[in-house]
Amino acid sequence: AQSVSQHNHHVILSEAASLELGCNYSYGGTVNLFWYVQYPGQHLQLLLKYFSGDPLVKGIKGFEAEFIKSKFSFNLRKPSVQWSDTAEYFCAVNPYGNNRLAFGKGNQVVVIP
Amino acid sequence: DGGITQSPKYLFRKEGQNVTLSCEQNLNHDAMYWYRQDPGQGLRLIYYSQIVNDFQKGDIAEGYSVSREKKESFPLTVTSAQKNPTAFYLCASSISRAAGDQPQHFGDGTRLSIL
Repeated sequence: AQSVSQHNHHVILSEAASLELGCNYSYGGTVNLFWYVQYPGQHLQLLLKYFSGDPLVKGIKGFEAEFIKSKFSFNLRKPSVQWSDTAEYFCAVNPYGNNRLAFGKGNQVVVIP
Repeated sequence: DGGITQSPKYLFRKEGQNVTLSCEQNLNHDAMYWYRQDPGQGLRLIYYSQIVNDFQKGDIAEGYSVSREKKESFPLTVTSAQKNPTAFYLCASSISRAAGDQPQHFGDGTRLSIL
């Protein structure tokens, strides 16, 4: 079965610091990749997605992610975080031809003003 | 506005009782999903349905049942056979495509607690 790994479940950083969250998956075929975000008290929403083409994808709120096929990774980055980025972030993988998503366990990010 | 409505927001159940969680969507999506979210566990798939009158088990289907009689509705029943039902339950929907490239849209969730 496919799996999705997210490390460092709890991340605490100060405003203006850079953020990078790792995501690795075990599926060997073609995949579709997503990052979702869950702000406190809100529903999960899509941050960004990768299907094909440029491996560096831009999302909302200044986030970006890079797909590195050789490393089975899809890491999320933001150069300078704000207090409003405090949220839980989930990486999800969907193999081509399968409408199921496999989620990682999430990263709880707290940004201190 | 289009979206996914889950009700109720909070639900309490006595041990041994079945309880049904509602999920309705007006996005005209073919596919619908139920997830369970536990702290530190991420989201785990319970059941999903890609078309009306059809559904498949996910990774943790034991103790749960679903139906898909209408495109817009996908209720989840938590049965007394579910040994640890206390959790946050999320419903989602998406356009169903063979490529699997459509993002899922999520409801606000239902928090189920055992009395």
